Amino acid sequence: DAKTTQPNSMESNEEEPVHLPCNHSTISGTDYIHWYRQLPSQGPEYVIHGLTSNVNNRMASLAIAEDRKSSTLILHRATLRDAAVYYCILRATLNTGNQFYFGTGTSLTVIP
Amino acid sequence: NAGVTQTPKFQVLKTGQSMTLQCAQDMNHEYMSWYRQDPGMGLRLIHYSVGAGITDQGEVPNGYNVSRSTTEDFPLRLLSAAPSQTSVYFCASSYSPSGINQETQYFGPGTRLLVL
Repeated sequence: DAKTTQPNSMESNEEEPVHLPCNHSTISGTDYIHWYRQLPSQGPEYVIHGLTSNVNNRMASLAIAEDRKSSTLILHRATLRDAAVYYCILRATLNTGNQFYFGTGTSLTVIP
Repeated sequence: NAGVTQTPKFQVLKTGQSMTLQCAQDMNHEYMSWYRQDPGMGLRLIHYSVGAGITDQGEVPNGYNVSRSTTEDFPLRLLSAAPSQTSVYFCASSYSPSGINQETQYFGPGTRLLVL
């Protein structure tokens, strides 16, 4: 599976938007982009995923570059509960092992 | 639904001891997997199963055994614990083993293991 690159850490003020970047320059045409987050002392939880078009759900938005070599997870209004490690993961459509390859992610600090 | 449950929450072992980490899910998911997470690192896949009776190795399988006799349960066995296996272990499951539908993975709360 192709790899992703994320900043180690980011900070945001509470109630401001947060843009978490992810580079995936070796992405293939069949790779989906997934985002998971891990709150302190918990297991990871699903945030959002997409293939080519931008995606929105109740938690966040996913903006995918036209060449698909990068993407951005957008939290519209950061809250203290959004402080977590955010993982950007590529997952092949034909990956029958259903495997996720986690990198080190971005640790988001939300400042009150 | 209880989702994915793991027991115990915390365990201390001495080098050479054996133990089994339990994982169960009540969502009728075909796919289950085990990850370990070391300090400052992301999750690494140990073993996975695409259905009852079928298991396969992940990225870091050495020192661990698994079996899948039922859809619900996927225990992870450490036959002879080593300090290098000190870690947090997460179990995960999803509905389908195939990546075609990009199924969401659901993670358990984790088991913290300390090997002295």
